[in-house]
Amino acid sequence: AQKITQTQPGMFVQEKEAVTLDCTYDTSDPSYGLFWYKQPSSGEMIFLIYQGSYDQQNATEGRYSLNFQKARKSANLVISASQLGDSAMYFCAMREGPFGNEKLTFGTGTRLTIIP
Amino acid sequence: GAGVSQSPSNKVTEKGKDVELRCDPISGHTALYWYRQSLGQGLEFLIYFQGNSAPDKSGLPSDRFSAERTGGSVSTLTIQRTQQEDSAVYLCASRRSGRNRMDTQYFGPGTRLTVL
Repeated sequence: AQKITQTQPGMFVQEKEAVTLDCTYDTSDPSYGLFWYKQPSSGEMIFLIYQGSYDQQNATEGRYSLNFQKARKSANLVISASQLGDSAMYFCAMREGPFGNEKLTFGTGTRLTIIP
Repeated sequence: GAGVSQSPSNKVTEKGKDVELRCDPISGHTALYWYRQSLGQGLEFLIYFQGNSAPDKSGLPSDRFSAERTGGSVSTLTIQRTQQEDSAVYLCASRRSGRNRMDTQYFGPGTRLTVL
């Protein structure tokens, strides 16, 4: 079974609209963390936002927010007021397992294209 | 404020040759990770370093792959007798600490390896 599932291979969104990128995860570890990274065409992975499994509130970072629904094991990324520069691949990732390692397992990504 | 750097940015080699990929983490980051990004396999964890030791090598795909880290800083990923399936982008990431689960991994720009 996939540990991280991103079901939207590609999305097209009009500039200035909000967009939600889906991510579901699978783990039996009670302590885990969820990350979203952006990968523009340049190739570098850019950290966007983090949510810990014990965090009581949804994470927010500027225009990015994470809709964390623990019981449904989903961690969707919401981008408000999309901009042309938001066009990129977006990866959801999870860290779990022994304390001190923190390696990430990634989903297959969603390619977001913002239309002017 | 230098980020994670990797060299070379691109490497083209012939099947059967050995290659070395270098990663310079962010200064002071004790944890270092190697990942591989390929079309068929997505983003995969390869190896994790805490300081100079590698407590998790579980992602190395074969014994042709090895990595070392010296002085708690620079890391080298070596692929011996390269095969065409080794063609991928090799990404390095560093974290401030292996002890704080909230610390984020910051990625370098990657090395694109092409095996002819």
